[in-house]
Amino acid sequence: KAGVTQTPRYLIKTRGQQVTLSCSPISGHRSVSWYQQTPGQGLQFLFEYFSETQRNKGNFPGRFSGRQFSNSRSEMNVSTLELGDSALYLCASSLGGTGGVYGYTFGSGTRLTVV
Amino acid sequence: AQTVTQSQPEMSVQEAETVTLSCTYDTSENNYYLFWYKQPPSRQMILVIRQEAYKQQNATENRFSVNFQKAAKSFSLKISDSQLGDTAMYFCAFMPTRTDKLIFGTGTRLQVFP
Repeated sequence: KAGVTQTPRYLIKTRGQQVTLSCSPISGHRSVSWYQQTPGQGLQFLFEYFSETQRNKGNFPGRFSGRQFSNSRSEMNVSTLELGDSALYLCASSLGGTGGVYGYTFGSGTRLTVV
Repeated sequence: AQTVTQSQPEMSVQEAETVTLSCTYDTSENNYYLFWYKQPPSRQMILVIRQEAYKQQNATENRFSVNFQKAAKSFSLKISDSQLGDTAMYFCAFMPTRTDKLIFGTGTRLQVFP
Protein backbone atom coordinates (compact mmCIF):
# COMPACT_ATOMS: atom_id res chain seq x y z
CA LYS A 1 0.00 0.00 0.00
CA ALA A 2 1.59 3.28 -1.11
CA GLY A 3 2.11 5.93 1.54
CA VAL A 4 1.57 9.66 1.33
CA THR A 5 3.54 11.00 -1.63
CA GLN A 6 4.77 14.55 -1.77
CA THR A 7 6.41 16.14 -4.79
CA PRO A 8 8.87 17.57 -5.30
CA ARG A 9 11.20 16.57 -2.46
CA TYR A 10 13.32 19.70 -2.81
CA LEU A 11 12.63 23.08 -4.31
CA ILE A 12 14.61 26.29 -4.59
CA LYS A 13 12.75 29.48 -5.47
CA THR A 14 13.52 33.18 -5.60
CA ARG A 15 11.82 35.81 -3.47
CA GLY A 16 8.66 37.08 -5.11
CA GLN A 17 8.00 33.90 -7.07
CA GLN A 18 5.16 31.53 -6.41
CA VAL A 19 5.30 27.79 -5.79
CA THR A 20 2.91 24.83 -5.89
CA LEU A 21 3.47 21.72 -3.83
CA SER A 22 1.65 18.46 -4.41
CA CYS A 23 0.40 15.74 -2.09
CA SER A 24 -1.12 12.38 -3.00
CA PRO A 25 -2.78 10.77 0.03
CA ILE A 26 -3.03 7.10 0.79
CA SER A 27 -5.65 5.46 -1.39
CA GLY A 28 -9.06 5.81 0.26
CA HIS A 29 -8.02 8.67 2.52
CA ARG A 30 -10.24 11.70 2.09
CA SER A 31 -8.74 14.13 4.58
CA VAL A 32 -5.50 15.96 3.77
CA SER A 33 -3.72 18.40 6.05
CA TRP A 34 -0.67 20.59 5.52
CA TYR A 35 1.93 21.64 8.07
CA GLN A 36 4.91 23.95 7.94
CA GLN A 37 8.01 22.95 9.90
CA THR A 38 10.76 25.47 10.65
CA PRO A 39 13.54 25.50 13.27
CA GLY A 40 12.16 28.69 14.81
CA GLN A 41 8.40 28.11 14.81
CA GLY A 42 8.31 24.32 14.89
CA LEU A 43 5.37 22.52 13.34
CA GLN A 44 2.44 24.72 12.47
CA PHE A 45 -0.91 23.79 10.96
CA LEU A 46 -1.70 25.38 7.62
CA PHE A 47 -5.05 23.92 6.53
CA GLU A 48 -7.09 20.77 6.22
CA TYR A 49 -9.28 19.56 3.37
CA PHE A 50 -11.98 16.92 3.32
CA SER A 51 -13.90 15.99 0.20
CA GLU A 52 -12.61 19.05 -1.68
CA THR A 53 -13.69 21.46 1.09
CA GLN A 54 -11.42 23.36 3.41
CA ARG A 55 -12.58 22.46 6.92
CA ASN A 56 -9.88 24.06 9.04
CA LYS A 57 -7.38 26.83 8.53
CA GLY A 58 -4.36 27.92 10.53
CA ASN A 59 -3.01 31.40 11.15
CA PHE A 60 -1.13 32.01 7.94
CA PRO A 61 -1.41 34.95 5.55
CA GLY A 62 -3.56 34.75 2.45
CA ARG A 63 -0.46 34.08 0.35
CA PHE A 64 -0.83 30.49 1.48
CA SER A 65 -3.66 28.65 -0.21
CA GLY A 66 -4.62 25.13 -1.02
CA ARG A 67 -7.12 22.96 -2.76
CA GLN A 68 -8.19 19.36 -2.96
CA PHE A 69 -9.27 17.51 -6.06
CA SER A 70 -12.00 14.90 -6.48
CA ASN A 71 -9.41 12.11 -6.23
CA SER A 72 -8.33 13.55 -2.83
CA ARG A 73 -4.97 14.76 -4.13
CA SER A 74 -4.11 18.14 -2.73
CA GLU A 75 -1.97 21.07 -3.70
CA MET A 76 -0.80 24.03 -1.73
CA ASN A 77 0.31 27.27 -3.26
CA VAL A 78 2.44 30.04 -1.83
CA SER A 79 2.50 33.30 -3.74
CA THR A 80 4.98 36.16 -3.48
CA LEU A 81 7.53 34.05 -1.67
CA GLU A 82 9.47 35.51 1.25
CA LEU A 83 12.71 34.30 2.79
CA GLY A 84 10.76 33.27 5.88
CA ASP A 85 8.74 30.79 3.84
CA SER A 86 11.78 28.52 3.69
CA ALA A 87 10.66 25.40 5.49
CA LEU A 88 9.79 21.75 5.32
CA TYR A 89 6.17 21.42 4.20
CA LEU A 90 4.52 18.24 5.39
CA CYS A 91 1.32 16.73 4.12
CA ALA A 92 -0.71 14.23 6.13
CA SER A 93 -3.73 12.14 5.23
CA SER A 94 -6.43 10.35 7.15
CA LEU A 95 -9.46 8.26 6.32
CA GLY A 96 -11.68 11.16 7.26
CA GLY A 97 -14.30 11.85 9.81
CA THR A 98 -11.75 12.87 12.34
CA GLY A 99 -8.05 12.22 12.07
CA GLY A 100 -7.88 11.57 15.76
CA VAL A 101 -9.69 8.26 15.43
CA TYR A 102 -7.19 6.81 13.00
CA GLY A 103 -4.23 9.13 13.31
CA TYR A 104 -2.67 10.98 10.45
CA THR A 105 -0.10 9.43 8.10
CA PHE A 106 2.54 11.89 6.99
CA GLY A 107 4.57 12.16 3.83
CA SER A 108 8.30 12.87 3.74
CA GLY A 109 7.75 16.53 2.98
CA THR A 110 8.91 19.09 0.47
CA ARG A 111 11.95 21.13 1.49
CA LEU A 112 11.42 24.65 0.12
CA THR A 113 14.31 27.07 0.10
CA VAL A 114 13.66 30.70 -0.83
CA VAL A 115 16.72 32.69 -1.91
CA ALA B 1 -4.76 29.12 23.72
CA GLN B 2 -3.95 25.46 23.42
CA THR B 3 -0.29 24.64 23.86
CA VAL B 4 1.92 21.58 24.10
CA THR B 5 5.15 21.73 26.06
CA GLN B 6 8.09 19.35 25.80
CA SER B 7 10.59 20.47 28.40
CA GLN B 8 13.45 18.19 27.34
CA PRO B 9 15.12 19.44 24.15
CA GLU B 10 17.53 16.48 24.13
CA MET B 11 17.73 13.10 25.78
CA SER B 12 20.13 10.21 25.47
CA VAL B 13 19.87 6.57 26.50
CA GLN B 14 21.96 3.48 26.18
CA GLU B 15 20.74 0.64 24.01
CA ALA B 16 18.40 -1.78 25.86
CA GLU B 17 17.68 0.78 28.59
CA THR B 18 14.41 2.59 29.27
CA VAL B 19 13.79 6.29 28.70
CA THR B 20 10.83 8.55 29.40
CA LEU B 21 10.00 11.66 27.39
CA SER B 22 7.83 14.31 29.02
CA CYS B 23 4.90 16.23 27.58
CA THR B 24 2.38 18.56 29.14
CA TYR B 25 -0.46 20.38 27.44
CA ASP B 26 -2.86 23.16 28.20
CA THR B 27 -6.47 23.13 27.03
CA SER B 28 -10.00 23.78 28.17
CA GLU B 29 -11.32 21.05 25.87
CA ASN B 30 -12.69 17.91 27.44
CA ASN B 31 -12.58 15.67 24.40
CA TYR B 32 -9.34 15.29 22.51
CA TYR B 33 -6.67 12.94 21.28
CA LEU B 34 -2.99 12.85 22.15
CA PHE B 35 -0.22 11.50 19.99
CA TRP B 36 3.48 10.83 19.94
CA TYR B 37 5.14 11.10 16.56
CA LYS B 38 8.71 10.17 15.67
CA GLN B 39 10.69 12.02 12.99
CA PRO B 40 13.92 10.29 11.94
CA PRO B 41 16.43 11.97 9.60
CA SER B 42 14.32 10.76 6.67
CA ARG B 43 11.92 13.58 7.71
CA GLN B 44 8.77 11.48 7.63
CA MET B 45 6.63 11.82 10.75
CA ILE B 46 5.74 8.36 12.02
CA LEU B 47 2.89 7.76 14.44
CA VAL B 48 4.22 6.00 17.53
CA ILE B 49 1.18 5.89 19.78
CA ARG B 50 -2.18 7.59 20.32
CA GLN B 51 -4.47 8.08 23.31
CA GLU B 52 -8.12 9.10 23.54
CA ALA B 53 -8.68 11.48 26.42
CA TYR B 54 -11.87 9.72 27.49
CA LYS B 55 -10.00 6.46 28.06
CA GLN B 56 -8.34 6.11 31.42
CA GLN B 57 -6.29 3.11 30.37
CA ASN B 58 -2.82 4.04 29.15
CA ALA B 59 -2.07 3.13 25.53
CA THR B 60 0.67 0.62 24.74
CA GLU B 61 2.30 -0.32 21.45
CA ASN B 62 4.99 -2.98 21.85
CA ARG B 63 7.99 -1.24 23.50
CA PHE B 64 6.19 2.11 23.66
CA SER B 65 3.76 3.07 26.38
CA VAL B 66 2.32 6.28 27.75
CA ASN B 67 1.52 7.62 31.18
CA PHE B 68 -1.60 9.72 30.67
CA GLN B 69 -2.62 11.91 33.59
CA LYS B 70 -5.67 13.88 32.43
CA ALA B 71 -6.07 16.01 35.53
CA ALA B 72 -2.42 17.00 35.43
CA LYS B 73 -2.56 17.38 31.61
CA SER B 74 0.50 15.20 31.27
CA PHE B 75 1.27 12.66 28.57
CA SER B 76 4.71 11.08 28.85
CA LEU B 77 6.17 8.43 26.55
CA LYS B 78 8.15 5.51 27.86
CA ILE B 79 10.42 3.60 25.50
CA SER B 80 11.55 0.24 26.86
CA ASP B 81 14.48 -1.80 25.56
CA SER B 82 15.72 1.17 23.50
CA GLN B 83 17.11 0.37 20.08
CA LEU B 84 19.48 2.29 17.82
CA GLY B 85 16.61 2.76 15.39
CA ASP B 86 14.72 4.75 18.03
CA THR B 87 17.14 7.64 17.48
CA ALA B 88 14.96 10.50 16.20
CA MET B 89 13.05 13.64 17.10
CA TYR B 90 9.93 12.86 19.10
CA PHE B 91 6.95 15.18 18.97
CA CYS B 92 4.01 15.20 21.32
CA ALA B 93 0.78 16.41 19.70
CA PHE B 94 -2.74 17.30 20.77
CA MET B 95 -5.94 17.33 18.71
CA PRO B 96 -9.37 18.46 19.94
CA THR B 97 -12.03 16.08 18.64
CA ARG B 98 -13.99 18.99 17.15
CA THR B 99 -11.13 19.85 14.77
CA ASP B 100 -8.61 17.99 12.66
CA LYS B 101 -5.79 20.25 13.67
CA LEU B 102 -2.71 18.81 15.35
CA ILE B 103 -0.92 21.08 17.79
CA PHE B 104 2.66 20.00 18.24
CA GLY B 105 5.23 20.48 20.95
CA THR B 106 8.76 21.63 20.12
CA GLY B 107 10.14 18.12 20.13
CA THR B 108 12.72 16.09 22.03
CA ARG B 109 15.79 14.83 20.23
CA LEU B 110 16.51 11.29 21.43
CA GLN B 111 19.90 9.69 20.86
CA VAL B 112 20.31 5.99 21.55
CA PHE B 113 23.92 4.95 22.15
CA PRO B 114 25.31 1.43 21.66
